[in-house]
Amino acid sequence: IAGITQAPTSQILAAGRRMTLRCTQDMRHNAMYWYRQDLGLGLRLIHYSNTAGTTGKGEVPDGYSVSRANTDDFPLTLASAVPSQTSVYFCASSVGSAGELFFGEGSRLTVL
Amino acid sequence: GQNIDQPTEMTATEGAIVQINCTYQTSGFNGLFWYQQHAGEAPTFLSYNVLDGLEEKGRFSSFLSRSKGYSYLLLKELQMKDSASYLCAGLDSNYQLIWGAGTKLIIKP
Repeated sequence: IAGITQAPTSQILAAGRRMTLRCTQDMRHNAMYWYRQDLGLGLRLIHYSNTAGTTGKGEVPDGYSVSRANTDDFPLTLASAVPSQTSVYFCASSVGSAGELFFGEGSRLTVL
Repeated sequence: GQNIDQPTEMTATEGAIVQINCTYQTSGFNGLFWYQQHAGEAPTFLSYNVLDGLEEKGRFSSFLSRSKGYSYLLLKELQMKDSASYLCAGLDSNYQLIWGAGTKLIIKP
């Protein structure tokens, strides 16, 4: 049972480098999401996709981009990483836009 | 603006009962979720309330009052494995989730 797989699980990155966090789900869920989680703050939505071929901006989209070429994959790209992007990133999916979220195990990113 | 408030931390004793409160202000309302998150792990779904009242699921129950913008999560017969953060999230009129910062629950023997 895979569910949602994220890679890498942990990464240290130099500022200014480009980085792509991968997310794959095998549940055929329509909706997918990228969140970041920082100490003392709630989960914050970066980008989302309600269905393959469409994406939307969340609460904190600046510095991030996503694509949704197919149902299963939803990569998150940091074009030029900055230290404020140090965080734990969670990918999630749901059957529809209002349903229970299933989360990946998270990707811990440190930007130096 | 939209906001979810919940206590930062709570402590309880093994075998006891604890109630974690959550108040919400959202633009429209399409339900309230509770998730559990153990340290270093991903959140996992606990409950969803969209109508007023109590929903019971084993040792865990969740309550909603839409008129008061209030929910609580009730955990009975506490076990050490219940030590975790509990996240409250409201679904607004655009079906976007608004998350609280989470309540860290510490269980003592």
